[in-house]
Amino acid sequence: KNQVEQSPQSLIILEGKNCTLQCNYTVSPFSNLRWYKQDTGRGPVSLTIMTFSENTKSNGRYTATLDADTKQSSLHITASQLSDSASYICVVSDRSYKLIFGSGTRLLVRP
Amino acid sequence: DGGITQSPKYLFRKEGQNVTLSCEQNLNHDAMYWYRQDPGQGLRLIYYSQIVNDFQKGDIAEGYSVSREKKESFPLTVTSAQKNPTAFYLCASSIAQNTGELFFGEGSRLTVL
Repeated sequence: KNQVEQSPQSLIILEGKNCTLQCNYTVSPFSNLRWYKQDTGRGPVSLTIMTFSENTKSNGRYTATLDADTKQSSLHITASQLSDSASYICVVSDRSYKLIFGSGTRLLVRP
Repeated sequence: DGGITQSPKYLFRKEGQNVTLSCEQNLNHDAMYWYRQDPGQGLRLIYYSQIVNDFQKGDIAEGYSVSREKKESFPLTVTSAQKNPTAFYLCASSIAQNTGELFFGEGSRLTVL
């Protein structure tokens, strides 16, 4: 069964610190992997999209990595800000273009 | 500005009533989607449409209906047959089916009293 598992479920860090969120998937055949940021009560916003051949992709202070062999991805946030408090959702697409969503990691950045 | 507009933002419904959630986009996207989001779960696909006058059931279509009479509009009706309709509903669009970036609206929160 195609699944996307994210860890941790929730995370609290101090402002200015770095953090890494994990995404493991069993989707096959793989097409691409996306990370979204969702503020509470809002719609998700795309951070990165990575295909099979891409190992790393950055968007400002957000850096996503992909290891297609181990079927793992991570999202690293550098020098966290209060505005980074949100849920981060990992989404994997298979070759039939079906999207499988993870349940998200809820990040809280405290001053 | 280009984007997706969902309305209403909040909606309360009595049991047995049908409600319609609006979704309009001015991105000139062919594909549109409706997702349901429940606490602690990933987004689940209700319906999607690749082109005007055509739509397909997603994973949890029972109790829902849609129409796609215009490229810009993809309204979702939550019928009284939906057994647990209280949820956060998200509309999205993309250039083509699941291709490229997926743009989401701000969501509609439906509460059944």
